[in-house]
Amino acid sequence: DIQMTQSPSSLSASVGDRVTITCRTSQGIRNALDWFQQKPGKAPKRLIYAASSLQSGVPSRFSGSGSGTEFTLTITSLQPEDFATYYCLQHNSYPLTFGGGTKVEIK
Amino acid sequence: ELQLVESGGGLVQPGGSLRLSCAGSGFTFSDHFMDWVRLAPGKGLEWVGRSRNKVNSYTTEYAASVRGRFTISRDDSKNSLHLQMDSLKTEDTAVYYCAGSYSDSSGYYYVGDYWGQGTLVTVSS
Repeated sequence: DIQMTQSPSSLSASVGDRVTITCRTSQGIRNALDWFQQKPGKAPKRLIYAASSLQSGVPSRFSGSGSGTEFTLTITSLQPEDFATYYCLQHNSYPLTFGGGTKVEIK
Repeated sequence: ELQLVESGGGLVQPGGSLRLSCAGSGFTFSDHFMDWVRLAPGKGLEWVGRSRNKVNSYTTEYAASVRGRFTISRDDSKNSLHLQMDSLKTEDTAVYYCAGSYSDSSGYYYVGDYWGQGTLVTVSS
């Protein structure tokens, strides 16, 4: 199985800050990685697919990059509605696996 | 309006069984891959399993943690997806989400184009 290492597990940031979250995989997965946002009591929402493609309707302050074993989600100019938990998901091979999550909290 | 609605959650004792259902509407259910994803208290998201569509022979995949205990099935005539959970363990306690995905222009199916609201399963004595 592909192991996912997501970091940091939590961070505190202010509105307007730039935030970077990293996901590393135990083996190369080309670009088969998506990023999801989840708010308490709500279903996850996909932000980025195929490592760097922005999901329709998602604000352009979200971006993804990377390939192989290292991937990054960047939020430029954090907004109040962005405080949530973020997860990466690899879909290169079964079983599909999520990263451990990054909780973005208000500083 | 596109909608997925889960049902069947509740309290069950360790070693017991439970069957979750997911009803789809507002889209062509039979064309979609369907996944189950869960969120345990204080934990992160975990992919549970997948049902491919008829074109892909309704084949299934499972996470190692549930393989042999959980079974995914679907009834396209009723736009429904099911998760039969047997030999339940306390660590199966979670909110269970169903998610649907449609193929992109290259025929690839991602996870979670749309999601249900989730149903809570509690395994406790």
